[in-house]
Parts: sequence; C-alpha cells; structure tokens
Amino acid sequence: GAVVSQHPSRVICKSGTSVKIECRSLDFQATTMFWYRQFPKQSLMLMATSNEGSKATYEQGVEKDKFLINHASLTLSTLTVTSAHPEDSSFYICSAPRLSHSYNEQFFGPGTRLTVL
Amino acid sequence: EDQVTQSPEALRLQEGESSSLNCSYTVSGLRGLFWYRQDPGKGPEFLFTLYSAGEEKEKERLKATLTKKESFLHITAPKPEDSATYLCADLSGGYNKLIFGAGTRLAVHP
Repeated sequence: GAVVSQHPSRVICKSGTSVKIECRSLDFQATTMFWYRQFPKQSLMLMATSNEGSKATYEQGVEKDKFLINHASLTLSTLTVTSAHPEDSSFYICSAPRLSHSYNEQFFGPGTRLTVL
Repeated sequence: EDQVTQSPEALRLQEGESSSLNCSYTVSGLRGLFWYRQDPGKGPEFLFTLYSAGEEKEKERLKATLTKKESFLHITAPKPEDSATYLCADLSGGYNKLIFGAGTRLAVHP
C-alpha cells in the first residue's frame, strides 16, 4: 500500500490565490522530505528539501518566498504556492526516504495536479 | 555536475519482445542508483535500488543491473501493462537528493 500520501490530488484556483499541498509519510518518520515539480512529458525537477525542525533548502532558481515549505512534524511537510499564476500550473510530487539497513528507499506521493486559471 | 542520461527517449515493443533501457551516470562515488516506474498522472513507483557495480535485482519481468558507468533495466517478455515511463535517478550530494534522468516512455502493444 501507499507509504506516502498527498492532499489534495488536484486543485484548481484563481490567479493570485495561495494553495497549500500536504505530504505525509504514513508508516515511518521522515526528518527529510523532498518536493518536485513535473511539467507534461518532462522528468521530475527537484524544487526543495524539507527539513524537520529547520529551514528548507531550495534548489537554484526556485523562489523560496513563492514556494513556502513547512516541515511541521516527522510525518508531515507542506508546500504552499503563494500568489499562484498560470505558469505555476504543474504536477507537484513529494517524496520521503525510509531508511532500511543503513541504506534508503525513497517513496513518492501520488502527486498533486495544480491548475491556476 | 552530476548528470543522469536515459536512452532511448521512447520505445515501442510488441508484447513478448524483450528489450533493455539504459541509464548512464557521471556522478563519482555513486551512493545509489534508483529505478522507478511512473504511470500518467501518478507519482513514481519504486522498483529497485542498486549500490555497487555487478549488482543485479529482479522483480517479475524486470531486471536491473549496474556497472561503473551505467545501469540497464531489462524487460523480459513484456506485457501491455508494462507500458509506462521508466525513470532512473542517482543519489547526489548530501541528504538523499535524487537527480532524475528524463525517462524512457515504454509502450507495449498486443
């Protein structure tokens, strides 16, 4: 079964509004989670690393004031797209690593389809 | 800079026609090479992690192998339900960051 969930699965909003996306690890704790963006027929692009108890780390070119990340607990990270515009329309996916025998598996959520009108 | 390159971009197979997908990486000191399957409109589904050259892992009709410079995903006697985009990624830098290739879109026709 799914080990990482996301909510909502899809959202449509008006330009200028803010949208919050939740990512939860269901049966393990994740001190780190990752947020990706995927445009149609393209691969996943890492946006930021969400760290429990500290600030998120953003990849080059990603505006931290526009994409607010809060790692509220060991099982929850949220991504808020502030003042969304049509160019922010995309598929947003989170992932969380689960340690196993000193190595890790990274599990992805089902994704959130954001459409900004 | 770490780079992951997948080929081919797209592959069309007849049901039962075995083939291989390629993933080459340039990162030094590989800490893990991951394979995922992604269906349209869904998040990637974890398939395999490979850690050292010579390692092989199998799952149903899929087998992943790893050399010092590349990984292969072998698909034996594929079925239409194997149609998906297959992504590979390597662990880069600290804190388990994954760097993805562009993916291979596989279509298996009956």
